[in-house]
Amino acid sequence: RKEVEQDPGPFNVPEGATVAFNCTYSNSASQSFFWYRQDCRKEPKLLMSVYSSGNEDGRFTAQLNRASQYISLLIRDSKLSDSATYLCVVTPRTSGTYKYIFGTGTRLKVLA
Amino acid sequence: GAGVSQSPRYKVAKRGQDVALRCDPISGHVSLFWYQQALGQGPEFLTYFQNEAQLDKSGLPSDRFFAERPEGSVSTLKIQRTQKEDSAVYLCASSSSQLGGSVPETQYFGPGTRLLVL
Repeated sequence: RKEVEQDPGPFNVPEGATVAFNCTYSNSASQSFFWYRQDCRKEPKLLMSVYSSGNEDGRFTAQLNRASQYISLLIRDSKLSDSATYLCVVTPRTSGTYKYIFGTGTRLKVLA
Repeated sequence: GAGVSQSPRYKVAKRGQDVALRCDPISGHVSLFWYQQALGQGPEFLTYFQNEAQLDKSGLPSDRFFAERPEGSVSTLKIQRTQKEDSAVYLCASSSSQLGGSVPETQYFGPGTRLLVL
């Protein structure tokens, strides 16, 4: 079982729709959580950090459920420009490094 | 300011050739990471430097992979005797966080080097 699991999609949604992605992680001692966005043939870029209390940035809302070991990303009022792959990232609590553990990514395509 | 840069952006190698991939992190960033991203997959951790010290190389897939950061800034990932399965995008990331900090800081990624081994 992979440490971080995501549904690879693709999710095809019409403009204006609300879409949600979930991600589960296996290491209960994981320390920090992020969502990154990756456009085709580009590098990952930070979308938002994820906090236990939940956090919102415009149309994007991220939630963390430590008890069930999953994080979620909600996108409201989808735009064509939201089409990308969304990568779930977890940092394990280790003594050696703050390396990122990535999920496979969820592909989103917003349709006109 | 300048972000993370990597060179070359594209590299085609014949099987058995050695390659060297360069990463210039954001100025002043203590931590530097290398990741490997296969097609359709998320990036996978290779190795981590704090300044010039390589503190974690647990992700390097074989002893053909070697990384260094001799002066604590620029890093080079070297792959010896390349194999077809080494074909991937190699991403470098840097951050200002270091061991002993309270939480991990954001990692900033370079554009990657796309390696194709024929």
